[in-house]
Amino acid sequence: DIVLTQSPATLSVSPGERATLSCRASQSVSGKLAWYQQKPGQAPRLLIFAASTRATDIPARFSGSGSETEFTLTISSLQSEDFGVYYCQEYSNWPPRYTFGQGTKLEIK
Amino acid sequence: EVQLVESGGGFVQPGGSLRLSCAASGFTFSSYVMTWVRQAPGKGLEWVSAISSGGSNTYYADSVKGRFTISRDPSKNTLYLQMDSLRDEDTAVYYCARGRALIAVLMPFDFWGQGAPVAVSS
Repeated sequence: DIVLTQSPATLSVSPGERATLSCRASQSVSGKLAWYQQKPGQAPRLLIFAASTRATDIPARFSGSGSETEFTLTISSLQSEDFGVYYCQEYSNWPPRYTFGQGTKLEIK
Repeated sequence: EVQLVESGGGFVQPGGSLRLSCAASGFTFSSYVMTWVRQAPGKGLEWVSAISSGGSNTYYADSVKGRFTISRDPSKNTLYLQMDSLRDEDTAVYYCARGRALIAVLMPFDFWGQGAPVAVSS
């Protein structure tokens, strides 16, 4: 099975600064990589799919990049509401496994 | 507006059973893959099970295979998760979620319910 490793575990960034989150896959996921944001007590929200496509109503400050095994989520100018835990997920395996990474906690400095 | 509303969570002893429901509205339920994802207290997300749009194909995580059964009722626009032989480690919030695109199985999840808590303990 594919393993997704996210780094760092915790990231502390000041408002207005750039945040960069990483996700590494143990084998190629052929670009089938998504990012989610989860705030305490809430369900996850889809941010990015197909490695770099923003989901509906997601602000342009969120961008995704990468291919094969190395992926990045960038928040260009951090807003206070961007705190939470961010998860990457692959959806390339057959039969489906929909593996999630362990998450990166983004704190507002 | 797409809405997913889970129900049926609660407290159960190890070895017991529970059935979760997820009522869907605001979209053509029978056209989308549906799935269950869980989150143990203080932990990350774990995919549990998925079902094809027509209901004929089901998929399970190894951790629940043989104990959980996913199903759907298009006449009621409802997704189900029958959980049998429950274990302590099944304690989690269970979310239902929709596959992003029509029919396709290998898709991320674009809409999520608010979650149903399940606690397994003696």
